[in-house]
Amino acid sequence: GESVGLHLPTLSVQEGDNSIINCAYSNSASDYFIWYKQESGKGPQFIIDIRSNMDKRQGQRVTVLLNKTVKHLSLQIAATQPGDSAVYFCAEKKSGAGSYQLTFGKGTKLSVIP
Amino acid sequence: SQTIHQWPATLVQPVGSPLSLECTVEGTSNPNLYWYRQAAGRGLQLLFYSVGIGQISSEVPQNLSASRPQDRQFILSSKKLLLSDSGFYLCACRTSGTSFPETQYFGPGTRLLVL
Repeated sequence: GESVGLHLPTLSVQEGDNSIINCAYSNSASDYFIWYKQESGKGPQFIIDIRSNMDKRQGQRVTVLLNKTVKHLSLQIAATQPGDSAVYFCAEKKSGAGSYQLTFGKGTKLSVIP
Repeated sequence: SQTIHQWPATLVQPVGSPLSLECTVEGTSNPNLYWYRQAAGRGLQLLFYSVGIGQISSEVPQNLSASRPQDRQFILSSKKLLLSDSGFYLCACRTSGTSFPETQYFGPGTRLLVL
């Protein structure tokens, strides 16, 4: 499959521990943010999203935190499992972006140690 | 919810040959459709997007083109492939009328190798 994990920051986590993946975004005018999970050779899979009028949003085993003051986004994964091993990347939408265009980060590779 | 299909899954083509990649969407109508290219270890690069039949916007000048002959069909083409066209091509879909209309969902991708 496609080696999307080459030359990416890597986070290694013990199975069962919590994972925190961070993302710094560039534009203070961005009003929407999204996290994707991508396994090798597959298309990105939607995990969770958040608007700029929120600080936190929770899903099943995942939480996204948004700190607009420092333009920082984080994804927390509770009780990390081997199936969580993948590349995770964030994306932002600038306010007023044509056709809701997203700008994507390069990603972080999460490796879960059994 | 929508399902996005991409065809073919993998393709090996010689330099100078033509290209046609297809993306079809099920379970939604009047979606916005996007073509992205992903190089190893790099972020997604938007190539084209379409807000409706026959409506194509190009983001990056190159030897690729896109067409949308039907509401749920998006095609990426080239008349003559270059080595630099190798990569992982992803189709994405966005639908209005949901609580988060900004969300883009991706297909499984097509891996293209130009030799």
